[in-house]
Amino acid sequence: SQKIEQNSEALNIQEGKTATLTCNYTNYSPAYLQWYRQDPGRGPVFLLLIRENEKEKRKERLKVTFDTTLKQSLFHITASQPADSATYLCALEADSNYQLIWGAGTKLIIKP
Amino acid sequence: NAGVMQNPRHLVRRRGQEARLRCSPMKGHSHVYWYRQLPEEGLKFMVYLQKENIIDESGMPKERFSAEFPKEGPSILRIQQVVRGDSAAYFCASSRGINTDTQYFGPGTRLTVL
Repeated sequence: SQKIEQNSEALNIQEGKTATLTCNYTNYSPAYLQWYRQDPGRGPVFLLLIRENEKEKRKERLKVTFDTTLKQSLFHITASQPADSATYLCALEADSNYQLIWGAGTKLIIKP
Repeated sequence: NAGVMQNPRHLVRRRGQEARLRCSPMKGHSHVYWYRQLPEEGLKFMVYLQKENIIDESGMPKERFSAEFPKEGPSILRIQQVVRGDSAAYFCASSRGINTDTQYFGPGTRLTVL
């Protein structure tokens, strides 16, 4: 069955630098992959969706890439700010067309 | 346009009691999903409902757990005879449709079983 791996260790980045988070999956390549942000005590908030035929997607300071050969998505935040500190979750479709499989998330800490 | 609403935000129950969690989807959304999240773990799918129908409950334990989404009113996740292992954050999400549609999450209900 499909599994998602995100780095369980917190990522500490200096303010102003680019933060890069990794999402690896183990099985079939999904038709799309989504990234969400989750703050403590809150529900996840959708950030970006990238489809299998898209290599890259951008939204303001965010950039997502999707490499179906490596079975990997990278999530970049450029010019990082302390307010970007949160846990970032990767999710992709399961073998049904409505169910998402979720990674455990990577905690990002941006230090001033 | 109000987002997904869940209540209560925090719920404390003693072992053996019932827990009832409510979710009102975003306006115009007829698809509701329930997830469970333990600390430091990812979201685990429990059940997917459309109005008056359970579409997929494969992630929900067969015993003690039930869910509904009536024609009128919020979706309800019901846990009977709670045990300590049920302590978790339960999130509800809604979407307008399926097939890659974005899911919008509520703030969650934190259930603590004493």
